[in-house]
Amino acid sequence: EPEVTQTPSHQVTQMGQEVILRCVPISNHLYFYWYRQILGQKVEFLVSFYNNEISEKSEIFDDQFSVERPDGSNFTLKIRSTKLEDSAMYFCASSEALPGQVEAFFGQGTRLTVV
Amino acid sequence: AQSVTQPDIHITVSEGASLELRCNYSYGATPYLFWYVQSPGQGLQLLLKYFSGDTLVQGIKGFEAEFKRSQSSFNLRKPSVHWSDAAEYFCAGTYSGAGSYQLTFGKGTKLSVIP
Repeated sequence: EPEVTQTPSHQVTQMGQEVILRCVPISNHLYFYWYRQILGQKVEFLVSFYNNEISEKSEIFDDQFSVERPDGSNFTLKIRSTKLEDSAMYFCASSEALPGQVEAFFGQGTRLTVV
Repeated sequence: AQSVTQPDIHITVSEGASLELRCNYSYGATPYLFWYVQSPGQGLQLLLKYFSGDTLVQGIKGFEAEFKRSQSSFNLRKPSVHWSDAAEYFCAGTYSGAGSYQLTFGKGTKLSVIP
């Protein structure tokens, strides 16, 4: 069964460093997303990406964040200068169409720890 | 504002007992609702979804959920819980018409199963 894969599973970084979280969405999907879950809190939407551009973003997704689809398969989330409060589980997801039409499939997540 | 609420943070049931996890939504338009499960160290797996039509939906692993518009609820049920069902369960939703890309998640309900 096709699945969304994320690497690495766990990343530790020093405050102020740049990190790139990587995702390989399901191959025929057109919509890509990043969500995050701070420990003990709800899963929060960060950004969606369609047709090589950001289609929607939350207020969490500020100038420190960027997304890219550098080739036909990868989808990345970059945090330019990490802060302690960026420590969270980051989930990548993809879907064939808008979430109101079909379900989104989630990866296993990357746990980011900022020290 | 659109929201999804899971009133129960933690529920403990005995193996073999029935289960009901509560989810309430607040959407002005027709909601699209989902239940996801997150096992320890794992990603978010879709259990079931409601888009329209039959208000009782069947999912994987023996779960079902009933959409009740009059109560703004989408509760998840299972007639007989197995120890492997111990996990965190998230209700999520979006709504029709606005073309929104994002899912709104509840805070999750952690399920513990007593042997």
